[in-house]
Amino acid sequence: SQTIHQWPATLVQPVGSPLSLECTVEGTSNPNLYWYRQAAGRGLQLLFYSVGIGQISSEVPQNLSASRPQDRQFILSSKKLLLSDSGFYLCAGQAGELYEQYFGPGTRLTVT
Amino acid sequence: AQTVTQSQPEMSVQEAETVTLSCTYDTSESNYYLFWYKQPPSRQMILVIRQEAYKQQNATENRFSVNFQKAAKSFSLKISDSQLGDTAMYFCAFMKLSQFYFGTGTSLTVIP
Repeated sequence: SQTIHQWPATLVQPVGSPLSLECTVEGTSNPNLYWYRQAAGRGLQLLFYSVGIGQISSEVPQNLSASRPQDRQFILSSKKLLLSDSGFYLCAGQAGELYEQYFGPGTRLTVT
Repeated sequence: AQTVTQSQPEMSVQEAETVTLSCTYDTSESNYYLFWYKQPPSRQMILVIRQEAYKQQNATENRFSVNFQKAAKSFSLKISDSQLGDTAMYFCAFMKLSQFYFGTGTSLTVIP
């Protein structure tokens, strides 16, 4: 089965600073990859998903961007963070279109 | 677009008792997949159970079972012999061709 790694676990950043969150996948090749944001006590909001290297689909217009430089690496970025970017960010992977998603441990981002 | 509805924001159950969490969805598709995920206080998303829509038999995983009613578009989760470790948010999810749709979650508290 696949394992999703995410780092950092916790991040505190000032408004206007850049952001880079990394997600890597172990145990499968050519996975579909997803970035979600979750507000406290709320559901999951899909931000980006990728079906392959360099292929990114954006679900929500926002201050964030995503990149997939390698098959099993997915990066979430921002050039200038806003207060509204605070939240819990989850990376997920899917081994194939008939399979469930597996999630990483998440990154708690606080923008001050 | 598909929608997933969890109408019970919060529920509680006595330890060792049985509890059922509700989920309904709206789709015009005939082949799809349904999942229940658990998110404990650590916020790690954990797959609990999956159901293929073409299978009439309800899925079971140890103390967890589902009642899948395809015509009614209903997918409830039954937890038997509830344990303190079952305290978590539970999310119902619909998947078709790598597109995932999550409900807003049910917060379950197991009372000792």
